[in-house]
Amino acid sequence: NAGVTQTPKFQVLKTGQSMTLQCAQDMNHNSMYWYRQDPGMGLRLIYYSASEGTTDKGEVPNGYNVSRLNKREFSLRLESAAPSQTSVYFCASNLLQGARSPLHFGNGTRLTVT
Amino acid sequence: KQEVTQIPAALSVPEGENLVLNCSFTDSAIYNLQWFRQDPGKGLTSLLLIQSSQREQTSGRLNASLDKSSGRSTLYIAASQPGDSATYLCAVSANSKLTFGKGITLSVRP
Repeated sequence: NAGVTQTPKFQVLKTGQSMTLQCAQDMNHNSMYWYRQDPGMGLRLIYYSASEGTTDKGEVPNGYNVSRLNKREFSLRLESAAPSQTSVYFCASNLLQGARSPLHFGNGTRLTVT
Repeated sequence: KQEVTQIPAALSVPEGENLVLNCSFTDSAIYNLQWFRQDPGKGLTSLLLIQSSQREQTSGRLNASLDKSSGRSTLYIAASQPGDSATYLCAVSANSKLTFGKGITLSVRP
C-alpha cells in the first residue's frame, strides 16, 4: 500500500523562486495536513483540509498557499521562497478531522532555499 | 496554549532493557494522545492512540498509558532491541488541533 506519497523528495530553490509540493493519499481519508519540521521547533501545522473543498490555516501559514484538488490530493505552494522556509515538509492524512483517528505521514520533502 | 514536553531529548540503553519514555502536557482537556515513531529521513509512523476516556493501549512490546489529571503519558517499551532505535514523539489532540512534543531520540546499543 502506498499510503501518503509526497513529491519531490528533495528540492533546492533560490530566494524568490516558486514551487509546489505535491501530496496524494490512497486511503480514502477525509482530512489532510501540511506540517513543517525544524530542529528545535518540532512539528508545526501550516495548513489543513478537514474535507474535500475546505482548507484552513494552521499555526504558521504565512508564505504558503494550499489547494485540495480532490479527496486524494493536497498541494502546498510557495509563491516566493525565502531562506526561512528551509525545512522538511510533511503531508499527513487521517479519516476523521481533528486528529480523532491516527495520522498517517508521508516521507517528507527536504527543501533548501538559498 | 497547549504545550507538550518530552524529557530527556535523548536516551541510550543496552539491548534487552525495559524502558519508559515520558510525555507531559499542560492542558488536560484533551481528546486523545498519540505516540509516533520517526526513523531518520522518514516520516512519522503512528504507534498507539489513546482516547481521553482510556487509561492505556497496548501493541506488541509497546504499552502507552494516559493520566489526564496529571497531564502525563508514558510509553513503555519491553525488552528493547536495536531496531527500536528511533525518535519517539507524542502528540495531544484538543480543539481539533494536534500539538507535538519535540521527541526523544532513543538509541538501543547491541
